[in-house]
Order: sequence, then C-alpha cells, then structure tokens
Amino acid sequence: QITLKESGPTLVKPTQTLTLACTFSGFSLSTSGVGVGWIRQPPGKTLEWLAIIYWDDDKRYNPSLQSRLTITKDTSQNQVVLTMTNMDPVDTATYFCAHRTVGKTALDYWGQGTLVTVSS
Amino acid sequence: EIVLTQSPGTLSLSPGERVSLSCRASQSVTSGYLAWYQQKPGLAPRLLIYGASSRATGIPDRFSGSGSGTDFTLTISRLEPEDFAVYYCQQYHSSPWTFGQGTKVEVK
Repeated sequence: QITLKESGPTLVKPTQTLTLACTFSGFSLSTSGVGVGWIRQPPGKTLEWLAIIYWDDDKRYNPSLQSRLTITKDTSQNQVVLTMTNMDPVDTATYFCAHRTVGKTALDYWGQGTLVTVSS
Repeated sequence: EIVLTQSPGTLSLSPGERVSLSCRASQSVTSGYLAWYQQKPGLAPRLLIYGASSRATGIPDRFSGSGSGTDFTLTISRLEPEDFAVYYCQQYHSSPWTFGQGTKVEVK
C-alpha cells in the first residue's frame, strides 16, 4: 500500500525559505522507474506542477520556478525534500507530493497536502 | 508551455445523467500523455485516467477517457452521487507539466 505525507511549516514570512518533506511508504525511490513529484494549489485555483525527482536522481523543475526550487531525496529515509527560496504571499498554497512510475502512468498516489501560508 | 483549456467551467447535472468534459491543448500532447483527476473539497486529486484512455487502479468503468492530439474527453456514463466534484486534465510529457483550470460538476 503506497502512502505519502507532506510535512513542514504552516506559516512562513516573505523572503524566507520554505522546506517541505514528503515521507512515503509502500515503495522505494531506488526502484527503477519510480519518481516523486511536488504540485501546489493556491486556494480556489488550479494545480501547478513544481518539480519531480526520479530513482536515478534525475531532477526536473518547472522552468518558471526553477531558480527558486531544489528537490532532493533520501532513499534510506524514504523521504523527498523540496526547498523554495524567497517566499512571497502569492506562494500561499496547499503543497502536495505524489508518486509516479515512468511511462504513461501519471501521478497515481498523492499525499493529503499541507497548507502553507506566506504572511508577515 | 502547453496550455490546457477545459470546458465548460461548471456543469449542473442530476444523478444518472451522462456527462462529457472537454480538454483542449494548445499543442499536440505527445503520445497521449494526458491524465484526468477528480478532486473533492479538502482532498488531494485522485487519478482517474492516464494515457488518455486507461483507467487507473480501482476506478469504476463508468469513467472513460478518449481523444488524441489536442482534443481529449472524459465521459462519465451515469453520474453517481459521489461523482460531484472538480475534474482536472493534465499533460505530463512536455515540460512544464500543466493542468487545466478544472470543470466543476455540481448537483442540479
């Protein structure tokens, strides 16, 4: 059974760096083809893909946010970490992590999400 | 960036009705890397369809996906009470992956 859960601060100040962790079970990020991605959703708006990291440490970022994002994995801890620098109130959103297997399968398992508010 | 346009924005329907949701892409979606998700308030999206027409694990067969190139459709053959939600399409081949703005299916 695949599960993912996001953790991190619920409130950050403008210009601060956000660090979110995705802790998962039921699969290994050392298995060929597996990836974990991050997606966010501002209140009342649509979803925005942020980044994904794969079993071979291949990393892909949304070009519009690439300069602010870093995604890393700790295979032994079953964890993926996303950092986003220079936070702004427009970054207020629910942040989700999700599992993917390379191929035509999309984001098939999602965490419950964590709401991050950016405010002074 | 591939822009996905979903229509209509909102549908007001009754249980038992058939519904078709549209997703149009600004460029061809390579090899049908198009997915559909269902989202209910306060919950994470749930994958329904991937590869334009393949049902995800555990998804009832009243949900079906079709289309290719730039035009894709999600069909629900008979609306059940639990199907009232927001539906998003997503392309996941070209970077950046993008989502449509969503179609809300509400109770009439």
